[in-house]
Amino acid sequence: GNSVTQMEGPVTLSEEAFLTINCTYTATGYPSLFWYVQYPGEGLQLLLKATKADDKGSNKGFEATYRKETTSFHLEKGSVQVSDSAVYFCADRDDKIIFGKGTRLHILP
Amino acid sequence: GAVVSQHPSRVICKSGTSVKIECRSLDFQATTMFWYRQFPKQSLMLMATSNEGSKATYEQGVEKDKFLINHASLTLSTLTVTSAHPEDSSFYICSARGQGAQYFGPGTRLTVL
Repeated sequence: GNSVTQMEGPVTLSEEAFLTINCTYTATGYPSLFWYVQYPGEGLQLLLKATKADDKGSNKGFEATYRKETTSFHLEKGSVQVSDSAVYFCADRDDKIIFGKGTRLHILP
Repeated sequence: GAVVSQHPSRVICKSGTSVKIECRSLDFQATTMFWYRQFPKQSLMLMATSNEGSKATYEQGVEKDKFLINHASLTLSTLTVTSAHPEDSSFYICSARGQGAQYFGPGTRLTVL
């Protein structure tokens, strides 16, 4: 079955730093890939997605590119803000969504 | 955007009792609903998938007699934790698929004393 592996946290950065959260997937087919975010006390929200190889998903300054050759979907942001502090989940979907373990991100002012 | 609600948001119960959690899609019809469980500082683990009017499909290791799922309509699914025990304490999240996307509810925190 499908699986997703993402870097373990917590990740602590200063405001305006560059962010990368690594994510790799395994799948038998060609899954859609997602990043979800869970802010403190809130439910999961879709941050961005990509449905085929070389697609780039982007939202709120975050980007991730679907790399079939490396089976990766790393999340990046050029300049993080305190309000980006949350838990980020990488996920893939064939017929159901499978999540990675989540990466907790702390941004210091 | 599409919204999925869950009720209750928090529930505390005594060991041995049963607890029902409702999941509703508020402005769209959900052909498929999913139930996840999230342990502290861990990922969401898919428990089961349900389609309206048919029996739920449970993931390996999930007891179907303990976690009863009823997908009664295209906008409502319920998860009943039967004879709950402290180890069932967790955060339960439902998700509904419709309109070509999948949306998540805010979750229900279950604490079994």
